[in-house]
Amino acid sequence: DTGVSQNPRHKITKRGQNVTFRCDPISEHNRLYWYRQTLGQGPEFLTYFQNEAQLEKSRLLSDRFSAERPKGSFSTLEIQRTEQGDSAMYLCASSLGADRRNQPQHFGDGTRLSIL
Amino acid sequence: GNSVTQMEGPVTLSEEAFLTINCTYTATGYPSLFWYVQYPGEGLQLLLKATKADDKGSNKGFEATYRKETTSFHLEKGSVQVSDSAVYFCALSDQGAGKSTFGDGTTLTVKP
Repeated sequence: DTGVSQNPRHKITKRGQNVTFRCDPISEHNRLYWYRQTLGQGPEFLTYFQNEAQLEKSRLLSDRFSAERPKGSFSTLEIQRTEQGDSAMYLCASSLGADRRNQPQHFGDGTRLSIL
Repeated sequence: GNSVTQMEGPVTLSEEAFLTINCTYTATGYPSLFWYVQYPGEGLQLLLKATKADDKGSNKGFEATYRKETTSFHLEKGSVQVSDSAVYFCALSDQGAGKSTFGDGTTLTVKP
């Protein structure tokens, strides 16, 4: 178990630029989740995948956000035309799912996005 | 929708003191309940979990009991250590997607 890996750890960019984050889940986990965490608050759900299928998106996920999980392995989260309000920690988590309910999620260390 | 309410912090205790961090939830159905811990500069780690009413989760001296009648999942530890200083998050996950709803976290500082 090598854990959930997220890259980059930090991203600083100017407002209006596009950014992309990557998440590599634990290899046998078929569920992958993206969360956003701002200072002083708990993580907020953004979206999740079961294998390669994106099954749910939060209303927090505006049209500027897109996530993919090709081949059901790693996932990317892209933010287009970044805004100041996008500054946050973006967390990825993975878990066993489908027939295995109530499995805990394993979190990566997150990508901290700062918009100048 | 689902929600989790945690006791506001920060909480400051002396070493070997008793710890309680309150957590209550609102959910439809029968969610699973979790406590996660986040040490400075690190990601969230699962501390303990309970999947049905009256279950007690325990790990590293921490305990929490799933109380359906009071919709609570309070975290307790009988004797805290300096190394327990961290942010603690209560969370629930729904039965379907398994996505989690988190509380806002409680910062614990333990002084020697």
